Amino acid sequence: RKEVEQDPGPFNVPEGATVAFNCTYSNSASQSFFWYRQDCRKEPKLLMSVYSSGNEDGRFTAQLNRASQYISLLIRDSKLSDSATYLCVVVTNAGKSTFGDGTTLTVKP
Amino acid sequence: GAGVSQSPSNKVTEKGKDVELRCDPISGHTALYWYRQSLGQGLEFLIYFQGNSAPDKSGLPSDRFSAERTGGSVSTLTIQRTQQEDSAVYLCASSNRGRDTQYFGPGTRLTVL
Repeated sequence: RKEVEQDPGPFNVPEGATVAFNCTYSNSASQSFFWYRQDCRKEPKLLMSVYSSGNEDGRFTAQLNRASQYISLLIRDSKLSDSATYLCVVVTNAGKSTFGDGTTLTVKP
Repeated sequence: GAGVSQSPSNKVTEKGKDVELRCDPISGHTALYWYRQSLGQGLEFLIYFQGNSAPDKSGLPSDRFSAERTGGSVSTLTIQRTQQEDSAVYLCASSNRGRDTQYFGPGTRLTVL
């Protein structure tokens, strides 16, 4: 079993749809959590950090559930420009970083 | 300010040759990571440097792979006796300290013929 697991998708949604991604992790020593976005043939870029209290940035909402060891990302009112691969990242207190394999999102007109 | 830079951007080599990939992290960042990403795959952790601590080498796939970080700044990833399965994009990232946001360089695309 992988340390960090994501549903690979692909998710194909129409513009304006709401879509949710989940990511589960197995290392209970994990301390920091992030969502990154990766466009085709580009490097990953930070989308948002994930906190236990949940956090929101415009159309994006991230949640962390430590008890069940999963993080989620909700995208509301999807735009064509949201089409990308979304990667969850889990980092231990020692700094060891593990990426999920990513979930591919395609938003269609 | 300047971001993470990597060189070369592309490298084509013959099987059995050694290659060196370079990463210049963001100035002042104490943590530096190397990852490998094969086509259509996720990021595979290779090695992690944090300040003056011993690096976490747990992700290096074989003893043909090694990395150094000189003076707490620039890092070099060396692959000896390259194999075709080493073909991938090698990504470097730095962060202010471990557990913080990682900022990625553009990667080096390695092709082993």
